Amino acid sequence: AQKITQTQPGMFVQEKEAVTLDCTYDTSDQSYGLFWYKQPSSGEMIFLIYQGSYDEQNATEGRYSLNFQKARKSANLVISASQLGDSAMYFCAMRDPWGSGATNKLIFGTGTLLAVQP
Amino acid sequence: ETGVTQTPRHLVMGMTNKKSLKCEQHLGHNAMYWYKQSAKKPLELMFVYSLEERVENNSVPSRFSPECPNSSHLFLHLHTLQPEDSALYLCASSQGREFTQETQYFGPGTRLLVL
Repeated sequence: AQKITQTQPGMFVQEKEAVTLDCTYDTSDQSYGLFWYKQPSSGEMIFLIYQGSYDEQNATEGRYSLNFQKARKSANLVISASQLGDSAMYFCAMRDPWGSGATNKLIFGTGTLLAVQP
Repeated sequence: ETGVTQTPRHLVMGMTNKKSLKCEQHLGHNAMYWYKQSAKKPLELMFVYSLEERVENNSVPSRFSPECPNSSHLFLHLHTLQPEDSALYLCASSQGREFTQETQYFGPGTRLLVL
């Protein structure tokens, strides 16, 4: 069964520094998608970045990049130049391609709480 | 993305009450989802609708009853809930196509407290 593991319950980072949030996954499928979401205290889950299992290059979206190591089954999120507004919960998720019917089931990790310090 | 809205944002209800959560998406998507987020637990998928047809029900108790009258609206009807049902309920939508890059966009959630 697919599984997402985020081993860091909480992280601190100084403003303007880079931070890496860890994510490992377990799947026997060859084709899958990996997602990162940000959840501020307001509750909304905000999509940040996507990495496909067949993508040869690591995904980047502005200050977010994904360090994808397929052989190690890891998909770590790197946030460069941290800002105070980056303080939030961050969730790694994987699309289960074998979800029933036309659904696109996402399997989420338990999240990492990031606190950016001034 | 602010294309998915949810009302109410906060709800307090007694165990004998009946209430409904509403979700609306303005993204032209064909699939909609209900998730439950409890403290210290991963997000739990509750229901999935694709083209207004329920395609997934993850063993959710019958006191939760979803309704999808059209592809833009999704409801979650609540009745005789238990205190352990207190959680953040998140709605999401996606295009509804079968490919790995299918991205789900979430609403702000409804924080539910059952007394």
